[in-house]
Amino acid sequence: SQQGEEDPQALSIQEGENATMNCSYKTSINNLQWYRQNSGRGLVHLILIRSNEREKHSGRLRVTLDTSKKSSSLLITASRAADTASYFCATDSNSGGSNYKLTFGKGTLLTVNP
Amino acid sequence: DSGVTQTPKHLITATGQRVTLRCSPRSGDLSVYWYQQSLDQGLQFLIQYYNGEERAKGNILERFSAQQFPDLHSELNLSSLELGDSALYFCASSVAASGAFTKQYFGPGTRLTVL
Repeated sequence: SQQGEEDPQALSIQEGENATMNCSYKTSINNLQWYRQNSGRGLVHLILIRSNEREKHSGRLRVTLDTSKKSSSLLITASRAADTASYFCATDSNSGGSNYKLTFGKGTLLTVNP
Repeated sequence: DSGVTQTPKHLITATGQRVTLRCSPRSGDLSVYWYQQSLDQGLQFLIQYYNGEERAKGNILERFSAQQFPDLHSELNLSSLELGDSALYFCASSVAASGAFTKQYFGPGTRLTVL
């Protein structure tokens, strides 16, 4: 079952615009991660935000986390055609005992038009 | 390039057959994770090994099994294949025992097609 759900499912913008993707999750988490996947290729880690953090930046990426609303957002500023990809949020969930696994949402497909 | 290698890149086989997917983690990483990605189910965690021992289990079918060898490479065995097993299979690795608390490095994947 999916822990994180991204919204929107698809987003199309022009180069230079900002892109915002949202992720909602159901149960409490220790951290939330964002990954990018270019079509049919392996996922690439973008950023990890811990449950006691509210905002984190990495280059043109800004991630926020609101644990009271169980939601996170990923903002990509000044988007480029090369940002075209699927973006996934992933949360930790208990897989038994003291072991945890990453559970991914279904992703947001971002298309940046030149 | 993540440093994680997977072979083969593509695999086409028939229903009922058995296949083995191979993964070599990044140098120094002790954890290996297997994921299945399909259009209907999305990206599903299958299983994790840490330093040769099974660490966490996800939605892995009984027809599937995995192991991690002393040199830390891992193999995912899929048997009695069904059409629905057609998917992209990814391997990921991390230094830590739990990749849920740190970033994971993903390989390029193996695309399995069951005819």
